[in-house]
Amino acid sequence: DTGVSQDPRHKITKRGQNVTFRCDPISEHNRLYWYRQTLGQGPEFLTYFQNEAQLEKSRLLSDRFSAERPKGSFSTLEIQRTEQGDSAMYLCASSLGIGALNEQYFGPGTRLTVT
Amino acid sequence: AQKVTQAQTEISVVEKEDVTLDCVYETRDTTYYLFWYKQPPSGELVFLIRRNSFDEQNEISGRYSWNFQKSTSSFNFTITASQVVDSAVYFCALSGQISSGSARQLTFGSGTQLTVLP
Repeated sequence: DTGVSQDPRHKITKRGQNVTFRCDPISEHNRLYWYRQTLGQGPEFLTYFQNEAQLEKSRLLSDRFSAERPKGSFSTLEIQRTEQGDSAMYLCASSLGIGALNEQYFGPGTRLTVT
Repeated sequence: AQKVTQAQTEISVVEKEDVTLDCVYETRDTTYYLFWYKQPPSGELVFLIRRNSFDEQNEISGRYSWNFQKSTSSFNFTITASQVVDSAVYFCALSGQISSGSARQLTFGSGTQLTVLP
């Protein structure tokens, strides 16, 4: 059983460029989450999918951010017109469940550096 | 609003010492879940334990033990006979109930950097 995978692992981009990250969850997991982690802080919730439906979005997710999970499997997170403040580790997690929140399994993250 | 406080930013111990990591949480939900994750230098968060608010029994798993005290809103984590491989950042996290809108996300503390010296 493979874990959560994320691609790319590192991304360096210039301010104003668009970037897209991909997350492949554990295959049988119906829930998928995106978090952002900056240095010295815990992860902060960005958004949540149950199957292909995006059910929650944090206020942290500005209009420049968009996430999709088109077939209820992999997910993409796009940031348009990147800013230096977007530099962070973007973490994807997945879990199995319908009711109560079960434990989330995290991927290795994508480290974004905006120059 | 939910909040998790890990007041210990950094802890350093010598191998074989016992160490306790503190976690204090705030929530208005009557049903909630508490978690501990480990983030080693490689960066990937590793799930350690999940505990619901109705289960106040302490839990032991090998060298790890957890003490949940609802009266003080604390969920502390103890590593017995620490080892160098335990060096990592440890995060405590909380999720709430659907009616409060916090059921589907984890609220993390800022983490405790544990360094175990040989």
